[in-house]
Amino acid sequence: TQLLEQSPQFLSIQEGENLTVYCNSSSVFSSLQWYRQEPGEGPVLLVTVVTGGEVKKLKRLTFQFGDARKDSSLHITAAQPGDTGLYLCAGAQNTNAGKSTFGDGTTLTVKP
Amino acid sequence: EAGVAQSPRYKIIEKRQSVAFWCNPISGHATLYWYQQILGQGPKLLIQFQNNGVVDDSQLPKDRFSAERLKGVDSTLKIQPAKLEDSAVYLCASSLDLGFGDTQYFGPGTRLTVL
Repeated sequence: TQLLEQSPQFLSIQEGENLTVYCNSSSVFSSLQWYRQEPGEGPVLLVTVVTGGEVKKLKRLTFQFGDARKDSSLHITAAQPGDTGLYLCAGAQNTNAGKSTFGDGTTLTVKP
Repeated sequence: EAGVAQSPRYKIIEKRQSVAFWCNPISGHATLYWYQQILGQGPKLLIQFQNNGVVDDSQLPKDRFSAERLKGVDSTLKIQPAKLEDSAVYLCASSLDLGFGDTQYFGPGTRLTVL
């Protein structure tokens, strides 16, 4: 079983603060994706990382894939209330026909 | 481009009753997924279709859950009979093809409450 552990489970911060959330596994993944899910909606893809050590930036969000492709982090700079949501990571292996395994997410609340 | 459509958005039933959910994927998407998301957890894959064939249903409780995608387009997921532990959001997603890491587009989900 490929488990993805996300930490912290909950995070509440003030607007303007920086934060990092983590996604760790003992398994190697061919690709890892980060999603954001808002209440009453389905997850929306933020980024896909495929190369060990890869860093991708999306405005104030920075995503990193670990060198061994077992872990990833998401860093948000100067968080805004609009960043509030559930952040999910999902790993896929190229031997598994596109099947992704999701972590249980980090619930982020950014207070104005 | 229209997104993934799901209905109903909410459903409340009593245990041992039956329920069905419907999903219409993005036009042209060959792969369709059904996930179960229990409160406080991430989505868990129940079944994955490639066109009208099943690719993976290893985590589908087949004694009570069934799903079909007869014409390779829209899909239905049925629970019969429902149990209390089936209370969850049922998410449908679609992707263009079967490649690993392929972008999955999710619908808004159906929130099921079993009393």
